[in-house]
Amino acid sequence: AQSVTQLDSQVPVFEEAPVELRCNYSSSVSVYLFWYVQYPNQGLQLLLKYLSGSTLVKGINGFEAEFNKSQTSFHLRKPSVHISDTAEYFCAVKRSGSARQLTFGSGTQLTVLP
Amino acid sequence: KAGVTQTPRYLIKTRGQQVTLSCSPISGHRSVSWYQQTPGQGLQFLFEYFSETQRNKGNFPGRFSGRQFSNSRSEMNVSTLELGDSALYLCASSFQDGEQFFGPGTRLTVL
Repeated sequence: AQSVTQLDSQVPVFEEAPVELRCNYSSSVSVYLFWYVQYPNQGLQLLLKYLSGSTLVKGINGFEAEFNKSQTSFHLRKPSVHISDTAEYFCAVKRSGSARQLTFGSGTQLTVLP
Repeated sequence: KAGVTQTPRYLIKTRGQQVTLSCSPISGHRSVSWYQQTPGQGLQFLFEYFSETQRNKGNFPGRFSGRQFSNSRSEMNVSTLELGDSALYLCASSFQDGEQFFGPGTRLTVL
């Protein structure tokens, strides 16, 4: 089985400052890793994914994440945040292969302050 | 290409009733997964359907069931509703082993 831990439930940050949202996972098998964003009253939108290859993954809206196998981490970063980045962010893992089941972390509420 | 659609968007039911939620995947996507999102338990996997067959099931009681039709549209049903079933129910579709695309969800309130 897989599990995901998002270490911070809430992250306040000032506009134009950098941000890092932390994610650690646990799995006995090979996994794929994802970050999703959820705006109020909406579904989930994929920010980026790691399937294989380069450990630095670039996503939409200027976000990037680095897969660290030895530390079993997949932290999300953005060098300069905007007010519009205020949302809840979810880290998720999926067992590699055809199974679709995603295991999600508990989420991190990012609040960008003016 | 139209995204994943879910109907209805909002639903209010009373305890003991049953409810059916609908999900239409992106055209060409044959896999549909369902998730429950609550403040207390977060996002939890309910089940996945592929080509009309349930391929995977999460740890939910038998009151939660689903099905998929030949056009890949899916429904989930919850019988004998309990207060704790109040949640946002999200549907996601995917093509083969690709990215999952989520719908806007159905907000179910059980009174």
